[in-house]
Amino acid sequence: EIVLTQSSDFQSVTPKEKVTITCRASQSIGRSLHWYQQKPDQSPKLLIKYASQSISGVPSRFSGSGSGTDFTLSINSLEAEDAATYYCQQSHSLPLTFGGGTKVEIK
Amino acid sequence: QVQLVQSGAEVKKPGASVKVSCKASGYTFTDYYVHWVRQAPGKGLEWMGWINPNTGGGNSAQKFQGRVTMTRDTSISTAYMELSRLKSDDTAVYYCARPETSNLYYFDYWGQGTVVTVSS
Repeated sequence: EIVLTQSSDFQSVTPKEKVTITCRASQSIGRSLHWYQQKPDQSPKLLIKYASQSISGVPSRFSGSGSGTDFTLSINSLEAEDAATYYCQQSHSLPLTFGGGTKVEIK
Repeated sequence: QVQLVQSGAEVKKPGASVKVSCKASGYTFTDYYVHWVRQAPGKGLEWMGWINPNTGGGNSAQKFQGRVTMTRDTSISTAYMELSRLKSDDTAVYYCARPETSNLYYFDYWGQGTVVTVSS
């Protein structure tokens, strides 16, 4: 089973600041890494697919990068509505696995 | 528009079973796998498995094998996830999710979630 480790559980960030969330895989997964946003009492929402591919309707301030074992989700110019927990997920092999999540709080 | 609408909250006793439904609309039900993901209170996301609505076949995470059954009724575009021999740590929100295309394994549509509480 591939383990995804998100290095921080929590980040407190000022509006307009840039946020970087990292996700490390226990083995190489190519670019089969996807990012979700989950707000309280809501279902997850797909933000980025295949490490860096954008999703229609997702604001352009969200971007992803990385390959192999190390991946990054960036939020440029954080807005209040971005307060949420962010999860990475790998689709390289079954069982599908998710990272533990990174909660972003707005200061 | 694509929608996945799940059944309502359930309260079950340890040892019982629960069956959660996921009704799909806005697309051809048999063209896309349906996956199940759960989230314990205050915890992260955990993938449980998938069903191919066209064939009825599927796969489940080893952790749930022997306890989870995924079925579908194509006449009403509904997928089901039944979990048996419930324990207190099965208390969670259970989501169904649809991948972007049938044989991909990330999800662009999610149900609203079904809260399952296991308590004596």
